[in-house]
This record gives sequence, structure tokens and C-alpha cells, in this order.
Amino acid sequence: EPEVTQTPSHQVTQMGQEVILRCVPISNHLYFYWYRQILGQKVEFLVSFYNNEISEKSEIFDDQFSVERPDGSNFTLKIRSTKLEDSAMYFCASTWGTGTEKLFFGSGTQLSVL
Amino acid sequence: AQTVTQSQPEMSVQEAETVTLSCTYDTSENNYYLFWYKQPPSRQMILVIRQEAYKQQNATENRFSVNFQKAAKSFSLKISDSQLGDTAMYFCALGAQGGSEKLVFGKGTKLTVNP
Repeated sequence: EPEVTQTPSHQVTQMGQEVILRCVPISNHLYFYWYRQILGQKVEFLVSFYNNEISEKSEIFDDQFSVERPDGSNFTLKIRSTKLEDSAMYFCASTWGTGTEKLFFGSGTQLSVL
Repeated sequence: AQTVTQSQPEMSVQEAETVTLSCTYDTSENNYYLFWYKQPPSRQMILVIRQEAYKQQNATENRFSVNFQKAAKSFSLKISDSQLGDTAMYFCALGAQGGSEKLVFGKGTKLTVNP
């Protein structure tokens, strides 16, 4: 079965630094998402992306966050100035359509902000 | 606002036995989808089963089945013949039809299958 690929699997950074989390969605998918999960808590929606623009974003997704699809295969999440509370597992997901389709999740990037 | 509630933080079951995980939800949407995701220690999110709200028939995937009670807004997951590999966190999730496919997750139930 095709997979969503995320790199790196673990990222350690200092508070205030910029990080870029990378994702390669499944090739024929059109809708892309980032979710995050703080350790021990529920998975939370961050942002959805379609047709090269943000479709929807949550309150968590403030000006420190941005997403980009720089080419035909990659989908990135950038955090400009990381905070301690940004430490979480970040999941990328993709799907080929809305409604009846299902989300395929990547295996996540564990971000640790020190 | 959409909400998902999983009232069982932890459950355990003996291998080969049956276990049911509870989930209730709230939404003002008429058309929506419900999901159960499994998260093993590797922390990958794996779709277990999906239910479309307009379908009355309960979804089934091999040993996994749901009891979908639309009026009660209840969506429980039954795992039959539990296996050691079923040990994981299980998340119930709700998504509205159409739109951005944003999912709202419950807090999860940690299931342990004992040998």
C-alpha cells in the first residue's frame, strides 16, 4: 500500500530556532494536512492545504507556522521560532478527495524543543 | 462545534477474548464520517474502520466491527478474538462530509491485550 513519508523521524531544536518538517504525500493525492499530538494528549488538527493554498487552519496554527508545497512531491511545515510548547509529534496526512475518502497518515516527526 | 468523547482511558482484555471500546460524539452536521484509528507504540496512525453516518449498516473489517447508534451519537468499536498485536492506543474521530476533511479526535483509549 502507498505510504505518506515524513522526515526526519526525530528533530531536536533549541527554543527560538526555525524548524522545517518534511512530508511526501501519496503521489495522486490532492489534499494535505498537518496534525500534532502532544505526548499523552489527543491528536489535533493544524492545517489543511489544497490547490496550493490553505483551506482551513486551527487556532494553534498562528503566524509562527507556515506550510508550503515547494514542488510536486513535498509538503512542508515550518515553525519560525519554536517554543517549548511546540514539542509534539507532528503528523502529515493526505487524501485524494474529501468526504468519502480516508486520510493516510505518515509515521510522524517527533519534535523536541529544548 | 464537533466533539468526541472516549470515556475509557485504559482497558485490558485477555487474548482471544472480545472487547468493546466506547465513543460518543456531538455534531450539528447531517452528513459525517466516524473513524477508529489505532496507534501502536511506533505512534503511527493506522485506520481501523470507517462508518458513513448515512449508512444504517454497521461497518465491519475482519475482527473489528462497530455499533453505530446515530440517535444516541454513539460509535463503539468491538474487537473480537483479541490478539497481542492489538495492543495500542485507539482513537475515535469525527469528520464532516465534504470540506477540508478535518478530523476531530477523542483522547484515546489505551488497550492492552494480555497473553
